[in-house]
Parts: sequence; C-alpha cells; structure tokens
Amino acid sequence: LAKTTQPISMDSYEGQEVNITCSHNNIATNDYITWYQQFPSQGPRFIIQGYKTKVTNEVASLFIPADRKSSTLSLPRVSLSDTAVYYCLVGDPLTGANNLFFGTGTRLTVIP
Amino acid sequence: EPEVTQTPSHQVTQMGQEVILRCVPISNHLYFYWYRQILGQKVEFLVSFYNNEISEKSEIFDDQFSVERPDGSNFTLKIRSTKLEDSAMYFCASTGRFTEAFFGQGTRLTVV
Repeated sequence: LAKTTQPISMDSYEGQEVNITCSHNNIATNDYITWYQQFPSQGPRFIIQGYKTKVTNEVASLFIPADRKSSTLSLPRVSLSDTAVYYCLVGDPLTGANNLFFGTGTRLTVIP
Repeated sequence: EPEVTQTPSHQVTQMGQEVILRCVPISNHLYFYWYRQILGQKVEFLVSFYNNEISEKSEIFDDQFSVERPDGSNFTLKIRSTKLEDSAMYFCASTGRFTEAFFGQGTRLTVV
C-alpha cells in the first residue's frame, strides 16, 4: 500500500486559496489519488479523485504531476465552513478494498 | 444522494458486555468497511468485507471483533467483550468499483 505524507496542520484566512500537498512516493500504476474531508464527529466525505494531470469539480481542484509521486488539493476561496481535516488516500479503485487506508490528515483552520 | 446509515448513533455499554453496531450500506455497493476513530486521533481501518467474507483486516481487528452481512442489506460489527479502550467513533463505509466511498455518520461507543 502506498504510504502518504501530509502536513499535520495549516491555517488560512477566509477568502484565500488553500493548497494542501500530499506525498505518495511509492504510488502504483493502477492507483488513484482520492481526497476526503472530515468534520468533527462526522464520517469522512469524498471531495475529489484523480489519476493524473488536473481534475476539477464544484468544490476543489486536484493537481497531479507527471511522476504522480505527489498531489495537491486546491480549495478556492475558503470559508469558515471549510475548517476540517483533509485526508489524501492512494489506492486501486478497481479492487475497492485496498484504497481506504487513512493517514494522519491535514487539519485546516480557516481564520476570519 | 445515496447514504450509508448507522445505528445506534450512541451506545453506552459496560465493560465486558457484547455490542453490535449496525450499518446499512448503499444497496448496489460491493465492498464494505468498518473504521474506528478514537477522540482526537486519525481514522483507523478495522476490516474490509467483499463477497461475503473478510478481504482484509488490521491488527486492531482481533478475536474480539467479528463482522457479518446477515441478510444482504445489513452489515454488522460485533465486539464480544468490550474494553475501556474500545471507546471510539465507529464508522461504516461502502463502495462499488470505480466509485468513491460513502461513510455513515458513525456510532459513538462509550465503554464504562
């Protein structure tokens, strides 16, 4: 299983763009990169998933360089409600069973 | 939006007692998971379940734990003889092939 490394915490002011980077040096060919968000006392919630280059949805963008050994979750114009823990996971979605090991995550605090 | 349902939301039990945590995964999903999260700590993988059997389990998932999918819709986690250190939030999740994982809202287990 590919191990992931993220910063433990980040602070940002409201309205700013936040970029959270995740390292996954031993990512396998079939692995996808998935990001989840977790609020206190709630289950993790899917944000975005990608394999290479750039993926964008209504809440975030995911940037993956050519070597795929890292990825960056970008949250545009964060608000106070984006304060949460963000987890980067790496795994093969074809099997389903092997892609849901959580690391320590990044605790994002948005400051007014 | 489809959702994973967990019951009960809170469970208080005496040390040594058996508890059963229940989950209703999303109906067409194939893979099912249990996680726990001790207060203030990361999400820890317990077990994954596919095709009516355990596909992977962590070292936390010892002989005190068992899982079952008794009727094709429910997915249960049983702890035979609870210990104080079993106090945590327990999350159920399900996923299909090439889909993101959906997590339930969790059961807060308190062992006294």
